[in-house]
Amino acid sequence: SQKIEQNSEALNIQEGKTATLTCNYTNYSPAYLQWYRQDPGRGPVFLLLIRENEKEKRKERLKVTFDTTLKQSLFHITASQPADSATYLCALDFLDDKIIFGKGTRLHILP
Amino acid sequence: DVKVTQSSRYLVKRTGEKVFLECVQDMDHENMFWYRQDPGLGLRLIYFSYDVKMKEKGDIPEGYSVSREKKERFSLILESASTNQTSMYLCASRTTGYTEAFFGQGTRLTVV
Repeated sequence: SQKIEQNSEALNIQEGKTATLTCNYTNYSPAYLQWYRQDPGRGPVFLLLIRENEKEKRKERLKVTFDTTLKQSLFHITASQPADSATYLCALDFLDDKIIFGKGTRLHILP
Repeated sequence: DVKVTQSSRYLVKRTGEKVFLECVQDMDHENMFWYRQDPGLGLRLIYFSYDVKMKEKGDIPEGYSVSREKKERFSLILESASTNQTSMYLCASRTTGYTEAFFGQGTRLTVV
């Protein structure tokens, strides 16, 4: 069956450390992969997009990798801050314009 | 700035009622989406539309229908609301191609 799995429901990271979130998928062949941030009571907000032929993408303190052989993406936040606390969603992006989301990981950055 | 506006922030409806959730975007986007979000289940795709009058079923279309008569507006219809349709409903839009999706603020629907 088709699945998108984000490594854990919740993750606690000490302020200043690097937070690493994982997204694994099975029986899908996405063309692109996206990451979003969602704060409580709000809609998701786009962070980064990576193509299937790109290995890595960076934006300020964020870094995303995409391994189509392993069917895995890693999302890193370096020098994490309490303001980075939120739910992070990975999303698979398909040729037919559909976008499918994982369940998300709640990240808590501890001061 | 792109704006995706959902007609209601909170809605309470009775079982069996016909419910309309409206979504309007102001950026001439071709693609529009309806998701529902439930604790432990994440965001699940109900329907999406890639053009006016065109629609495709998502993963959980049962009990829902959609309408897209104009490019900027995408409506989600619950033909006969049931308590298991109590949820947060999120609308999104984007331009064709592999681009970011913009989300509305969500409608928290309670069916009693």
